[in-house]
Amino acid sequence: NAGVTQTPKFQVLKTGQSMTLQCAQDMNHNSMYWYRQDPGMGLRLIYYSASEGTTDKGEVPNGYNVSRLNKREFSLRLESAAPSQTSVYFCASSEGGGGSNEQFFGPGTRLTVL
Amino acid sequence: GQSLEQPSEVTAVEGAIVQINCTYQTSGFYGLSWYQQHDGGAPTFLSYNALDGLEETGRFSSFLSRSDSYGYLLLQELQMKDSASYFCAVKSGGKLIFGQGTELSVKP
Repeated sequence: NAGVTQTPKFQVLKTGQSMTLQCAQDMNHNSMYWYRQDPGMGLRLIYYSASEGTTDKGEVPNGYNVSRLNKREFSLRLESAAPSQTSVYFCASSEGGGGSNEQFFGPGTRLTVL
Repeated sequence: GQSLEQPSEVTAVEGAIVQINCTYQTSGFYGLSWYQQHDGGAPTFLSYNALDGLEETGRFSSFLSRSDSYGYLLLQELQMKDSASYFCAVKSGGKLIFGQGTELSVKP
């Protein structure tokens, strides 16, 4: 099992450009999440999908859109990148529901916006 | 609002015991988790407490007091490989709210 995979691993954009970050999981998890992590900071939730067909905003959704393409895939789109979106982006998945909601994280995408 | 507080840095020596505290303020609480992150890599799950008390998993233990909105992670017999960032996270509804992390440095 690959677990949670993310593409690309690194990306440099110019201000105003758009891009989509891809995430896929092979654990048959119901819930998926997108976080950003800035230097010396914790993980801040951008959007999440509790189950296929649903998406909800997290703490910092402005400037982002998401698509839960199917149970495996959850993409994050930046329509018009800004330097403030320079960050490391992590995708995660979990079974959802009760219990610990243990989340499994991908390796991250390191994004720089110039 | 929702907030979690944990120390930004902790230093300890190899073989010692270290405790990382976490206090939280949230609307809707279902449990407290701990995650480890090495050098900006993928965070990994360590433990989860839904009820008051101590949970032990090998060298790591986690404690929760819901009445005090407080928990801690206890690392025993510290090893150099334990140098990492440790995050507490509150389960609130279907999502996790993370603290800003504690960077643990283990010295020889």
